[in-house]
Amino acid sequence: AQSVTQPDIHITVSEGASLELRCNYSYGATPYLFWYVQSPGQGLQLLLKYFSGDTLVQGIKGFEAEFKRSQSSFNLRKPSVHWSDAAEYFCAVAPMDSSYKLIFGSGTRLLVRP
Amino acid sequence: DAGVTQSPTHLIKTRGQQVTLRCSPKSGHDTVSWYQQALGQGPQFIFQYYEEEERQRGNFPDRFSGHQFPNYSSELNVNALLLGDSALYLCASVKREPFPEQYFGPGTRLTVT
Repeated sequence: AQSVTQPDIHITVSEGASLELRCNYSYGATPYLFWYVQSPGQGLQLLLKYFSGDTLVQGIKGFEAEFKRSQSSFNLRKPSVHWSDAAEYFCAVAPMDSSYKLIFGSGTRLLVRP
Repeated sequence: DAGVTQSPTHLIKTRGQQVTLRCSPKSGHDTVSWYQQALGQGPQFIFQYYEEEERQRGNFPDRFSGHQFPNYSSELNVNALLLGDSALYLCASVKREPFPEQYFGPGTRLTVT
């Protein structure tokens, strides 16, 4: 069955430190890949996406993600975290043969220390 | 350009009742997907509407039904509400070309008592 794993439930980083959030997926072929961010009580905002081509993709708010086919991973990174980045982050995949059905991970809550 | 809108923002219903949630997609988007997000979990796909028909469905019972109107707006209906239906219901407006991207509304928080 298709699945998305975000192994870290919570991550705490200091403001200005770098960040990496992990995401692994289980699927036969390379799906479309996405990262979303959700602030408390809000909807989800698309941070970045990967469809094909260059495996390092840039998104909004200074985020980037790298697709590694050999590891079935799509980790999210940011070189310097700001206090406003504190939120819940969701990795999602969309199989190419069912591309309107997003399958989400369980999320990683990011806390930022001042 | 308006984003994805959903109404109402919050809703409280009693077990056994029925509820209707509404969504208007972004201008130029003709496809809508609905998701249920229980507290502390990632969203789960309910179904997707395109050309006024349900095109894909997730693992949800028939109590969950929907509709899409000619102006591409959509409704999600849930019958015979259960306590477990309490969740944030998210509507996503789908940009289909050249690759599928989904843009979410703020959600409707449903509480079943």
